[in-house]
Amino acid sequence: DVKVTQSSRYLVKRTGEKVFLECVQDMDHENMFWYRQDPGLGLRLIYFSYDVKMKEKGDIPEGYSVSREKKERFSLILESASTNQTSMYLCASSTGQGGFTDTQYFGPGTRLTVL
Amino acid sequence: AQKITQTQPGMFVQEKEAVTLDCTYDTSDQSYGLFWYKQPSSGEMIFLIYQGSYDEQNATEGRYSLNFQKARKSANLVISASQLGDSAMYFCAMREGDSNDDTNAGKSTFGDGTTLTVKP
Repeated sequence: DVKVTQSSRYLVKRTGEKVFLECVQDMDHENMFWYRQDPGLGLRLIYFSYDVKMKEKGDIPEGYSVSREKKERFSLILESASTNQTSMYLCASSTGQGGFTDTQYFGPGTRLTVL
Repeated sequence: AQKITQTQPGMFVQEKEAVTLDCTYDTSDQSYGLFWYKQPSSGEMIFLIYQGSYDEQNATEGRYSLNFQKARKSANLVISASQLGDSAMYFCAMREGDSNDDTNAGKSTFGDGTTLTVKP
């Protein structure tokens, strides 16, 4: 079974803090993704990575950065957290093989509140 | 235009009955994959079922089946014999496949979701 884990289920931070969200997958997947999910807005892709040290911007990268130093770990960084970054953050991974058949597997999510 | 449309924000079904959740998609690619995910209140997105654009048979996984109508660009999820534990939000997603560009690798488009409530 694919296992994607996220460092925290719930996180409360203050405006201006630097926030790290960690994601680890144990299936040697090439691709990893960070989404945020907000009521009425669905899932929006923040960043994704198709290889170690490679990253691509998604639909809403502003205010975020990412790091992928090892294949199994993909970190999302909020350089200076703001209240509008309060959201549910979902990490996913996929094999990177098989083109359009490539299934994404998700972690449990992190509910981040910025006060 | 939205690539994935789920027109039912909320659905109710009686326990043990079948329910169909609608999904229509928009793509000009010949190769694409369609996925359904379940998200319980706990938040985790659980992969349910996959249908490829070239698959001639409708996909099935246990109580889940996908009613794939290519000409209509629809990929409806059918849940048979609903259970209370099926109450969740359900997302339809599409992965377009005609590009092998790594910079587009694995990107999927998700619908807005349908909240299903199973009544006892």
